[in-house]
Amino acid sequence: LAKTTQPISMDSYEGQEVNITCSHNNIATNDYITWYQQFPSQGPRFIIQGYKTKVTNEVASLFIPADRKSSTLSLPRVSLSDTAVYYCLVGRGNTGFQKLVFGTGTRLLVSP
Amino acid sequence: EAQVTQNPRYLITVTGKKLTVTCSQNMNHEYMSWYRQDPGLGLRQIYYSMNVEVTDKGDVPEGYKVSRKEKRNFPLILESPSPNQTSLYFCASSFLWDKNTGELFFGEGSRLTVL
Repeated sequence: LAKTTQPISMDSYEGQEVNITCSHNNIATNDYITWYQQFPSQGPRFIIQGYKTKVTNEVASLFIPADRKSSTLSLPRVSLSDTAVYYCLVGRGNTGFQKLVFGTGTRLLVSP
Repeated sequence: EAQVTQNPRYLITVTGKKLTVTCSQNMNHEYMSWYRQDPGLGLRQIYYSMNVEVTDKGDVPEGYKVSRKEKRNFPLILESPSPNQTSLYFCASSFLWDKNTGELFFGEGSRLTVL
């Protein structure tokens, strides 16, 4: 199972772009990279998933280099409501879910 | 509305008194799993199930049991709760074989305190 490493916390201001990097040196060929957002006392919520290169949706972008040993979640123009914990999750692939290992997450604080 | 429902949301109990936390999903998902969340430790998987009658241990299964007799339900059983099982518990579900983005749907959580 690929273990992930993320910064424990990050600070930003409203309107700025935030990039959170996740390291996953032992990622397997079939593993996907998924990011989740969690607000206090709520369950995590899916943000974005990718396998390689770049993926973009209405809320975020995910950049994955060719070696796939890291990935970067990019949040454009953050607002106060983006204050949350962000988890990088590696796994699943085409072998099904099996064990899923979440890291400790990155606590993002957005200030006015 | 598509959802994962956990009950109870809050529970205070005493050491040794058996309890069950229920989890139900209405999305016809094959995969279901339980996590506990403790300060500074993130989310740790307790058990998971890839379909009815198919369950397996996650990273922290000690002191817990599960069953999957129906596709929609995946109860978490604490036969003899201890104070170190005081935690916030989450149930999650998803389709199994990349039928969509692979999104895990989480319940709202069950906060358990064992005295």
